[in-house]
Amino acid sequence: DIVMTQGALPNPVPSGESASITCQSSKSLLHSNGKTYLNWYLQRPGQSPQLLIYWMSTRSSGVSDRFSGSGSGTDFTLKISSVEAEDVGVYYCQQFLEYPRTFGGGTKLELK
Amino acid sequence: EVQLVETGGGLVQPGRSLKLSCVASGFTFSNYWMYWIRQAPGKGLEWVSSINSDGGSTYYPDSVKGRFTISRDNAENTIYLQMNSLRSEDTATYYCAKGGNYYFDYWGQGVMVTVSS
Repeated sequence: DIVMTQGALPNPVPSGESASITCQSSKSLLHSNGKTYLNWYLQRPGQSPQLLIYWMSTRSSGVSDRFSGSGSGTDFTLKISSVEAEDVGVYYCQQFLEYPRTFGGGTKLELK
Repeated sequence: EVQLVETGGGLVQPGRSLKLSCVASGFTFSNYWMYWIRQAPGKGLEWVSSINSDGGSTYYPDSVKGRFTISRDNAENTIYLQMNSLRSEDTATYYCAKGGNYYFDYWGQGVMVTVSS
């Protein structure tokens, strides 16, 4: 199985500051078609997860451009510029290259 | 607007069965893969099952393989999760999700399943 490992944030994050969440996969998520099948989701308190970023760096429809995704085949970063109150929650990375589909353990963002 | 509404959760004894349903609307259901994903209380997300657009292919992690069965009725815009031989570790909120192109693009509100005697 592909293991997804997420880093922690130095919480709480001051409002207006940027935050970067890291994710590492145990195997390259780069497909032979050139796409990297790494996704990011946000689960706000008491809500269902929502898709933020897919294919490592493509923002989902309606997602603020304050969110950006980057990385290589095994190391990934979700950057949130100018953190706002609505960004509070738990962020998950997830691989879609192989079965079983696996998620990282989650990274909690708290606001100062 | 895409909507996914899960039903069928509840309290069930270990070893018993339960069937979840998810009714979809707002998109052409028969064109998309669908998924179940669960979240144990206070824990992270775990993919539970996948089904392709015509229901001919299904996938499961080892943790539920042989006990859970995903199915769909494209005429009713509904997917199901038949859960047999339930264990305490199956206690979780179960989310139905719509598949995008190698991602889960819409999630339901979730339904709670508690396995306890």
